[in-house]
Amino acid sequence: LAKTTQPISMDSYEGQEVNITCSHNNIATNDYITWYQQFPSQGPRFIIQGYKTKVTNEVASLFIPADRKSSTLSLPRVSLSDTAVYYCLVGVRGFQKLVFGTGTRLLVSP
Amino acid sequence: KAGVTQTPRYLIKTRGQQVTLSCSPISGHRSVSWYQQTPGQGLQFLFEYFSETQRNKGNFPGRFSGRQFSNSRSEMNVSTLELGDSALYLCASSDGLTGRTGELFFGEGSRLTVL
Repeated sequence: LAKTTQPISMDSYEGQEVNITCSHNNIATNDYITWYQQFPSQGPRFIIQGYKTKVTNEVASLFIPADRKSSTLSLPRVSLSDTAVYYCLVGVRGFQKLVFGTGTRLLVSP
Repeated sequence: KAGVTQTPRYLIKTRGQQVTLSCSPISGHRSVSWYQQTPGQGLQFLFEYFSETQRNKGNFPGRFSGRQFSNSRSEMNVSTLELGDSALYLCASSDGLTGRTGELFFGEGSRLTVL
């Protein structure tokens, strides 16, 4: 399983765009990149998944460069409720044995 | 549709006791995974069951065990509890099919305190 590296924490203000970058230098050809969000005392929640280029859904965008050695989760116009820990995971699509790293603790202030 | 249900939500045990946690997955999901979350070690994979068979296993001692029933409900058991077993135990369900997103739907967890 490819190891991922993310910033431990990030600060932002309401209304700003937040970009969280994850490094995964050893990503394999069959690996997908998935992001989860976790609030305190709750289980993680799936945000987005991608393989290459750009993926967008109603809550976030995921940018993956051609070499796929990194990815960036973009949260547009964050609000206080986006304060959470964000995990970047890399692995074969559908593989259930997920490896969660330390994640990025995002704090959104008024 | 109903989400993942874990019971009990909170429990307190003493060292040496055993505990059983229960998880009811989303209807139609055949895969149930268990994770342990502690402040020091983060989220760690325990094991995964798919159609009543353990399909994946993490690096936990044999005191941690699980099973899955024909209706996909799952239980995990921890025997001879140690102080270090105090954690939030999360259950996640998914369709379990490779080639799909593998999106996990987590329950709210069972918080175990070992005294």
